[in-house]
Amino acid sequence: DIQMTQSPSSVSASVGDRVTITCRASQGISSWLAWYQQKPGKAPKLLIYTASNLQSGVPSRFSGSGSGTDFTLTISSLQPEDFATYYCQQANSLPLTFGGGTKVEIK
Amino acid sequence: EVQLVESGGGLVQPGGSLRLSCAASGFTFSSYWMSWVRQAPGKGLEWVANIIQDGSEKYYVDSVKGRFTISRDNAKNSLSLQMNSLRVEDTAVYYCARDSPSVRGHIDYWGQGTLVTVSS
Repeated sequence: DIQMTQSPSSVSASVGDRVTITCRASQGISSWLAWYQQKPGKAPKLLIYTASNLQSGVPSRFSGSGSGTDFTLTISSLQPEDFATYYCQQANSLPLTFGGGTKVEIK
Repeated sequence: EVQLVESGGGLVQPGGSLRLSCAASGFTFSSYWMSWVRQAPGKGLEWVANIIQDGSEKYYVDSVKGRFTISRDNAKNSLSLQMNSLRVEDTAVYYCARDSPSVRGHIDYWGQGTLVTVSS
């Protein structure tokens, strides 16, 4: 199984800050990577697909990059509604596997 | 509007069984792979199983193989997860999810989840 490692596990930031979350795969997954946002008590929401493509309706302050084993999710200017937990997920092979999550908290 | 509504969760003793259901609407159910994903309390996401459009192929995470069975009824727009020999570690919110039609392995819609608690 492909292991997904996210860092940091949590980050404290202020509105307007630039936030970067990294995700590393235990083996190469090309661009088969998704990013999800989850707010407390809610289902996850797809933000980015195939590493760098913005899902319809997602604000452009979210961006993704990377390929192979190393990936990044960037929020260019953090907004109040962005405080949530973010997960990466590899889509290269079954079983689909997720990173441990990164909680973005208010500073 | 795509809607996925899970039901069937609850409290069950270790070794017991439970059947989860998911009612789908707002899209052509028979055209999509479907998945179950779970989340233990305070923990991360874990993919559990998925099923091809016509139900002929099914895949599971190792920890549930031989105990869980995913199935679908395209005539009723319904997805199910039969869970047998339940363990304490199966305690989680179970999400019904639709696989993206255009990008393999990505989940583009999720239900609200149903809580399964395995405890004596």
